[in-house]
Amino acid sequence: QQQVKQSPQSLIVQKGGISIINCAYENTAFDYFPWYQQFPGKGPALLIAIRPDVSEKKEGRFTISFNKSAKQFSLHIMDSQPGDSATYFCAASPFMRFGAGTRLTVKP
Amino acid sequence: DTAVSQTPKYLVTQMGNDKSIKCEQNLGHDTMYWYKQDSKKFLKIMFSYNNKELIINETVPNRFSPKSPDKAHLNLHINSLELGDSAVYFCASSQTTNEKLFFGSGTQLSVL
Repeated sequence: QQQVKQSPQSLIVQKGGISIINCAYENTAFDYFPWYQQFPGKGPALLIAIRPDVSEKKEGRFTISFNKSAKQFSLHIMDSQPGDSATYFCAASPFMRFGAGTRLTVKP
Repeated sequence: DTAVSQTPKYLVTQMGNDKSIKCEQNLGHDTMYWYKQDSKKFLKIMFSYNNKELIINETVPNRFSPKSPDKAHLNLHINSLELGDSAVYFCASSQTTNEKLFFGSGTQLSVL
């Protein structure tokens, strides 16, 4: 069964808007929560990651919010750009388990 | 210099054939993985090796046999290929089982 549940499956936002993708997990042994970005024809690449000792991590326009008690975490992309259009995966580790992916389209 | 390289990039073959995909990493990592990405983009872990030892075998049919001759290499051999094996296969590596993964560029396998 899927150990990390991700939503939405697809997301369309306007340029300059905020993109929000959510993930939930069950296994409390997970203690590393990355987000990966994948462009067509390429392998996934790490975007940003968080460990459960903090509730938020920000890198440029990308922010992870983490709620340990709810076992949920989310990715916020501020000022979304057409170049951000890609598939985004949340994951949880050890032994990296991926969510089902969110296809983000940013319209100019 | 590519960190995780896998070959071939494309593999087109007939049902019933046997094929191999090779993977090498030059990052000095201890852990390597094979993932399968299906047509719906779902990334499913297949195998994980740590220091050449198998640590995860995620209910993969035994037609799939990984081999790790050394820490830097993890190859995937597939026997008696089936239509359902068509997918993109990604090799990845990480320093430990709980750190960021570095992915190869994928091998698109098409079974006809």
